[in-house]
Amino acid sequence: EIVLTQSPGTVSLSPGERATLSCRASQSVNSSYLGWYQQRPGQAPRLLIYGASSRATGIPDRFSGSGSGTDFTLTISRLEPDDFAVYYCQQYGSSPNTFGQGTKLEIK
Amino acid sequence: QLQLQESGPGLVKPSETLSLTCTVSGGSISSSSYYWDWIRQPPGKGLEWIGSTYYSGTTYYTPSLKRRVSISVNTSKNQYSLKLNSVTAADTAVYYCARHFLQTYAFDIWGQGAMVTVSS
Repeated sequence: EIVLTQSPGTVSLSPGERATLSCRASQSVNSSYLGWYQQRPGQAPRLLIYGASSRATGIPDRFSGSGSGTDFTLTISRLEPDDFAVYYCQQYGSSPNTFGQGTKLEIK
Repeated sequence: QLQLQESGPGLVKPSETLSLTCTVSGGSISSSSYYWDWIRQPPGKGLEWIGSTYYSGTTYYTPSLKRRVSISVNTSKNQYSLKLNSVTAADTAVYYCARHFLQTYAFDIWGQGAMVTVSS
């Protein structure tokens, strides 16, 4: 099973700042099968990025994904109030599907 | 707009079977492009993929739950279901149904989630 480790666990930033979230895999992941999700309190996760770098429908271009192999990054260029949430990476390059433990993005 | 809605008991006794149904509306569960999944999230914790089904009945399960879990599909009702037997308090979680696209395995549509508590 591929283990995804996200860092940092929690990051405190202000609106307008740039956020960089990391996801590291225990073994190489096919980039086609790397996704990022946002989860606000009390809500279901929402798909942001699939295929490591493709934005899902309706996702603003402030969100971007990059990376390959074992290291992937989600970048939010200019934080807005609604962006403060928990973010998860997910892989299915190798069965079973696994998620990272999440990064909490909180308002500074 | 396709929507997913979980339904089922919110309270299950230890050692009994947890049963949930996901109803698909606004689209067909028989689409050849998608798998239909169950994912859970214990209170305050992260996400765990449970398993998935295709409209044909093909299923895949996460190894840690494989002995206890069953996912089935009912195309005539546009529904799919989860059964998890011999539950313990560790199975207390919000259970989500979700859809994933065959080519990317990304979960693009989620239900709102159903909280299931295992307690006597």
